[in-house]
Formats: sequence, C-alpha cells, structure tokens
Amino acid sequence: NAGVTQTPKFRILKIGQSMTLQCAQDMNHNYMYWYRQDPGMGLKLIYYSVGAGITDKGEVPNGYNVSRSTTEDFPLRLELAAPSQTSVYFCASGPRLGTFEQFFGPGTRLTVL
Amino acid sequence: GQQLNQSPQSMFIQEGEDVSMNCTSSSIFNTWLWYKQDPGEGPVLLIALYKAGELTSNGRLTAQFGITRKDSFLNISASIPSDVGIYFCAGQNYGGSQGNLIFGKGTKLSVKP
Repeated sequence: NAGVTQTPKFRILKIGQSMTLQCAQDMNHNYMYWYRQDPGMGLKLIYYSVGAGITDKGEVPNGYNVSRSTTEDFPLRLELAAPSQTSVYFCASGPRLGTFEQFFGPGTRLTVL
Repeated sequence: GQQLNQSPQSMFIQEGEDVSMNCTSSSIFNTWLWYKQDPGEGPVLLIALYKAGELTSNGRLTAQFGITRKDSFLNISASIPSDVGIYFCAGQNYGGSQGNLIFGKGTKLSVKP
C-alpha cells in the first residue's frame, strides 16, 4: 500500500492565483482530512470528509474548498491565494467508526507571494 | 479553537537519557494519540490510547492516558539520535465531531550523540 499520497510536494503561487492540492489514499478509509501547519504550531483542521459525497468544515475553512467524489481522493482547492495561506498542508485518512487514528501524507509546502 | 497544552516546547538531551513530555486539556478527552514528525515529513502515529488509566508501550516508547481524562504522558527510554523530531499529542473530546482531533503545538526533541 502507498498509504496517503499528496501532490505537489512544493508550490509557489502568486497572490490571486488558484490551485488544487491533490490527495489520495489506498487504504479504503472513509474519513479524510485536510490540515495546515504553520511554523511552530500544531495542525489546524481545514475540512474533513466522512465518506464520498460528504464534506464538512473544520476549524479554519475560509479560503478553501473541497470535494469528495470517490473514497480514494480528497482534493483541496484554493481559489484566490493569499499570503496568509502560506503553510504546509497535510492530508490524512482514518478508518471507520470506533477509532480515531489518522494516517498522514508527506505534505505540500505552499508559498504565496 | 481549542488547543492542547503540550510541554516542554523543546528538549535537548544526551543520547541514552530518558525523555518525558506531557499534554493537558481543560476539557475531558476520550482518545489520546501521540505522533512523531520528522523534518519535511507528515506526522506518523506512535501510540493510541482509548481508556482512562491505559498504559501502552511501543518499543522504547510508553504513553499513558491520565486518570482525569484531561492529560496524557509520553516517555522515551534510552534515547537514540533517530528519536530527533517533533512529537505531537492529539486528542478528541466528548462532543467533538467523529474523527476530529485537536493537536498540541509539539515538543521538539534534540538528541546529542
């Protein structure tokens, strides 16, 4: 199993540009998550999904959008990039109800200039 | 949003020493997880705790779910250079959305050979 994969690994955007961060998992997990990690801080939840077609906001959803058309994929969309969105983005997935363990991808380092 | 208080923020120790770190919350948690993050990588799950008082080991790592349900501890025995990294606690409290975790800010561990 590849686990959780993320692309790209690095990206530099100009203010106002848009992009999609890709995330895929091959563990057949229902739950998927997007976090951002700022320097010296813990992870903040952006959006999460409990299954295909179902998404919900986390703690810091503003400026982002998500979709979940399949169990495997959970892309994160930035529509109008702002410097405040400079961060490292992690995707994670977790198994069904009854456990809260989450497995993380390697991250995408995004810089908005 | 709610955050866990994780301490210490950083530790500098000699190889072979034991390490202790802890996490506290103002509210009751029903799950505690401990993750390790290496530079440039996503967090990796070390230990998961589901019952108050539970003591679980993973090699040289031992973690405990506090009796009050408001804290957790992680101990590393006989540290080695590859223990270097950032250790995060994460928990879910009663009433939280299924699978949504709250993360501490991390303890950065440095090991001198």
